[in-house]
Amino acid sequence: AQSVAQPEDQVNVAEGNPLTVKCTYSVSGNPYLFWYVQYPNRGLQFLLKYITGDNLVKGSYGFEAEFNKSQTSFHLKKPSALVSDSALYFCAVRDIGDDKIIFGKGTRLHILP
Amino acid sequence: GAGVSQSPSNKVTEKGKDVELRCDPISGHTALYWYRQSLGQGLEFLIYFQGNSAPDKSGLPSDRFSAERTGGSVSTLTIQRTQQEDSAVYLCASSLAPGTGELFFGEGSRLTVL
Repeated sequence: AQSVAQPEDQVNVAEGNPLTVKCTYSVSGNPYLFWYVQYPNRGLQFLLKYITGDNLVKGSYGFEAEFNKSQTSFHLKKPSALVSDSALYFCAVRDIGDDKIIFGKGTRLHILP
Repeated sequence: GAGVSQSPSNKVTEKGKDVELRCDPISGHTALYWYRQSLGQGLEFLIYFQGNSAPDKSGLPSDRFSAERTGGSVSTLTIQRTQQEDSAVYLCASSLAPGTGELFFGEGSRLTVL
């Protein structure tokens, strides 16, 4: 069965600095990988996904993520953090042949002004 | 409406009572998912519907939990004999095609069991 781990409960970054939110996964086949964001008092929103092709995926709000098959990772990155990026971020995975999508426990990102 | 609609938005119930939570997905979306969000537990997969196929119930935590989807549209999640540990936000999401990943989430139903 597929699983996903987000090793950090919380990440603090100063505004303007680069940010990374970590995600590792476990699947039996080739993964589909996703990032979602939950802003305070708002629903979950899709950020980006990796299905196949280029390992670097670009998404909404200037975020990007890099698929690394050898390390089974899909870390979320942004070159320059904004205070408005403060939110709860979820990594998710789908295994080939299984349509259910499994989410990690989430990482709370705090961008400090 | 344009988005996924869930009701009620808040539900307070007494231990032992049954509750029903409703999800109205985006029109035309064939895939529907239920998740539970608890503090510190992230998003826990509960059940997945795709068209007329048998649902994937592998995430339901106990036989007190059940869900159905009528006519390939509206879904109801039922929790029987509620327990305090059932308190959580129950999220519904729909997708145009199974497994493509872009899930559209509702605002959730917050359940509090006293």
